[in-house]
Amino acid sequence: EDQVTQSPEALRLQEGESSSLNCSYTVSGLRGLFWYRQDPGKGPEFLFTLYSAGEEKEKERLKATLTKKESFLHITAPKPEDSATYLCAVRGGTASKLTFGTGTRLQVTL
Amino acid sequence: DTAVSQTPKYLVTQMGNDKSIKCEQNLGHDTMYWYKQDSKKFLKIMFSYNNKELIINETVPNRFSPKSPDKAHLNLHINSLELGDSAVYFCASSQQGRYEQYFGPGTRLTVT
Repeated sequence: EDQVTQSPEALRLQEGESSSLNCSYTVSGLRGLFWYRQDPGKGPEFLFTLYSAGEEKEKERLKATLTKKESFLHITAPKPEDSATYLCAVRGGTASKLTFGTGTRLQVTL
Repeated sequence: DTAVSQTPKYLVTQMGNDKSIKCEQNLGHDTMYWYKQDSKKFLKIMFSYNNKELIINETVPNRFSPKSPDKAHLNLHINSLELGDSAVYFCASSQQGRYEQYFGPGTRLTVT
């Protein structure tokens, strides 16, 4: 069965303090790794899909990278509006579903 | 121009009651999903429909019954509600064959 582990569980950064969130996965034949952002009281918002090791995607201050065992979400010079829970999910093999991790709760302070 | 909408946003009800949650998407997607997010924020798939056909039915009590009248709508009916059903329920949709899913705002169900 596909498994996703995210770390840290929570992260507090000061504005401008860059850092990375980790998503480790176990899957039989990765068919896609997905990053989502979830604000309190709202549904997850799609950010990126990565398909193969070495692939990178960027959006504003966020960059997602992928290896054969994990993905990183790098946040460069974060701002308070980047505060949210970031969720990672995988699709493996012939699965028609995504398996989600429990997320990293990011707080960016002034 | 809401992409995926759900009603109601909040639902408070007593144990034993029956309730429904409705979902609609205007993205033209063929596949729709129901997820349950528990108090620890773990998001777990419950059901998935593709063009009104059930394709995923995870280990969910048969008190939960999804219905898809057309590919833009997916409703969730819950019979005999229990305390453990309290959670946030999210609807999502995606294009057929793709797995970037777009989520609704959620329905917070509280069973007392």
